[in-house]
Amino acid sequence: DQQVKQNSPSLSVQEGRISILNCDYTNSMFDYFLWYKKYPAEGPTFLISISSIKDKNEDGRFTVFLNKSAKHLSLHIVPSQPGDSAVYFCAASAWGETSGSRLTFGEGTQLTVNP
Amino acid sequence: DSGVTQTPKHLITATGQRVTLRCSPRSGDLSVYWYQQSLDQGLQFLIQYYNGEERAKGNILERFSAQQFPDLHSELNLSSLELGDSALYFCASSVRTGTEAFFGQGTRLTVV
Repeated sequence: DQQVKQNSPSLSVQEGRISILNCDYTNSMFDYFLWYKKYPAEGPTFLISISSIKDKNEDGRFTVFLNKSAKHLSLHIVPSQPGDSAVYFCAASAWGETSGSRLTFGEGTQLTVNP
Repeated sequence: DSGVTQTPKHLITATGQRVTLRCSPRSGDLSVYWYQQSLDQGLQFLIQYYNGEERAKGNILERFSAQQFPDLHSELNLSSLELGDSALYFCASSVRTGTEAFFGQGTRLTVV
């Protein structure tokens, strides 16, 4: 049961344009959402997060939007740079007092920013 | 540098063997997570520890076990290894449960 889905395995954009990465989730108990970036042979790097009480969070060139009714979030990168080329993972968590918490990851989207 | 240290970086071993992967979390982080990434797949959650106690369990095989020690470092033990266990194993840590986790560089396990 894939609770977090990234339906686009790859995305290619031109340098300077906007990159939009999408993520859908099915578990309504998720209350915290994150985006990670991963380069080959490295561990995922935390990028930006958003709590379910918000619908937008911005950090420099990165903005995450959350639409709880649609169970959808997206990551916008503006402007895109060649160094942004990496695999982007969407993740979600639901904290439970007895079950603890885990990050449930999507399958990832390979972003390629062309010069 | 995330501050999470994993050793070894690479490990090659034969089927049927047992290996131990080690993780040192960021200073001050009480929560440790283990994830498995098989070829071309996403990150699969294995297990979480918080301050020495198991807090959450994912699809971790019975041949795998983990623990978190009093100094908060963690070890993931993989036994009776099979070819399909070849994967990248990541450790992550966070200050407390339910916050962003920071990942180590991973251990690449190859079972031959």
